[in-house]
Amino acid sequence: KQEVTQIPAALSVPEGENLVLNCSFTDSAIYNLQWFRQDPGKGLTSLLLIQSSQREQTSGRLNASLDKSSGRSTLYIAASQPGDSATYLCAVRGGSEKLVFGKGTKLTVNP
Amino acid sequence: DAGVIQSPRHEVTEMGQEVTLRCKPISGHDYLFWYRQTMMRGLELLIYFNNNVPIDDSGMPEDRFSAKMPNASFSTLKIQPSEPRDSAVYFCASSFYPGDGYGYTFGSGTRLTVV
Repeated sequence: KQEVTQIPAALSVPEGENLVLNCSFTDSAIYNLQWFRQDPGKGLTSLLLIQSSQREQTSGRLNASLDKSSGRSTLYIAASQPGDSATYLCAVRGGSEKLVFGKGTKLTVNP
Repeated sequence: DAGVIQSPRHEVTEMGQEVTLRCKPISGHDYLFWYRQTMMRGLELLIYFNNNVPIDDSGMPEDRFSAKMPNASFSTLKIQPSEPRDSAVYFCASSFYPGDGYGYTFGSGTRLTVV
């Protein structure tokens, strides 16, 4: 059974800092890995999707990497801003088409 | 495309009442998923459909929960009778068949409160 773990559960940083969010998964047989953002009381917004054949994806200040063999992914946020404050969720899609989520990292960027 | 559309956005009901949540997936998506999110358990998959057929309902917590997909553009999740522990945010998501380049698109969710 696939399990996804995100560390840390919460992170508070000053504005402008570069930061890394971590995600690990137990079964490396995945189709893809997706990072989502969730604002309080809101739905999930897809940020980046990394296919199983890829090593990383970039979108603006965000960069996500994938190391299937070690079961790890990181989300790098450059020059963080208060508007980046949200919960970031990592999810992996395996052979059963299910998307298995981690419990998220709650990020607070302080002005 | 309007994305995945869920209704209602908020639902407050009394214990014992029937609750029906609705979802319209993105046109052309073959897969539809129902998730539940709580503080304690995070996001849990309840059931998913492929081409309108339920594939895996192992996440449905009890017989009080049922889901249907009568056509490619509509799905419902029903809880009868509802209980306070069913209070959560229920999300619907849709996706193309997995080529590994396809991700999920989520709706805005239905926040259910059972009092």
